[in-house]
Amino acid sequence: IAGITQAPTSQILAAGRRMTLRCTQDMRHNAMYWYRQDLGLGLRLIHYSNTAGTTGKGEVPDGYSVSRANTDDFPLTLASAVPSQTSVYFCASSPTGSTGELFFGEGSRLTVL
Amino acid sequence: GQNIDQPTEMTATEGAIVQINCTYQTSGFNGLFWYQQHAGEAPTFLSYNVLDGLEEKGRFSSFLSRSKGYSYLLLKELQMKDSASYLCAVRDSNYQLIWGAGTKLIIKP
Repeated sequence: IAGITQAPTSQILAAGRRMTLRCTQDMRHNAMYWYRQDLGLGLRLIHYSNTAGTTGKGEVPDGYSVSRANTDDFPLTLASAVPSQTSVYFCASSPTGSTGELFFGEGSRLTVL
Repeated sequence: GQNIDQPTEMTATEGAIVQINCTYQTSGFNGLFWYQQHAGEAPTFLSYNVLDGLEEKGRFSSFLSRSKGYSYLLLKELQMKDSASYLCAVRDSNYQLIWGAGTKLIIKP
């Protein structure tokens, strides 16, 4: 089934640990995004990539890094997790030339203690 | 600053009609989106408006007035499965999406 796969779906992590959230899509979309969703707030963009080999910073990039080595994969890394990074993280993609509709993965729920 | 406002929560009755409003103040405008998000799930695309007027898609319609910075999502013949959060998002002049916090819609029998 075509779509976006995120892993892990849920993780509890000790503060100070490094963590990578994985995101893979098989729709050959050029643009990919990482959002975090917190209660009472709108989705906030962390990082994005318009095409393989390029990345950009979103609204809340501090403490996070991304890479885009190929079209399909867009991992998000927390170098040293802090409790304020407790959130639900969504990976999304959109095809070039479309209205900009986003296709979301199922989300990764991360708890930092 | 950029801002998207929508009600936090609404309640409606099965079979009825509900209108969810969204007002926005953004740096430029390049389209408005509505997404549906069931609890614990990912958002899914519902509609896109870039020109003023009404876009109808089955039981769901979305309206846009750019001069008023206003949109609404209209849901007809409500079903229990429509219980979800509805997210309004505006694409600004930099083609970045600005998201509202979402409206939680509760459908009662």
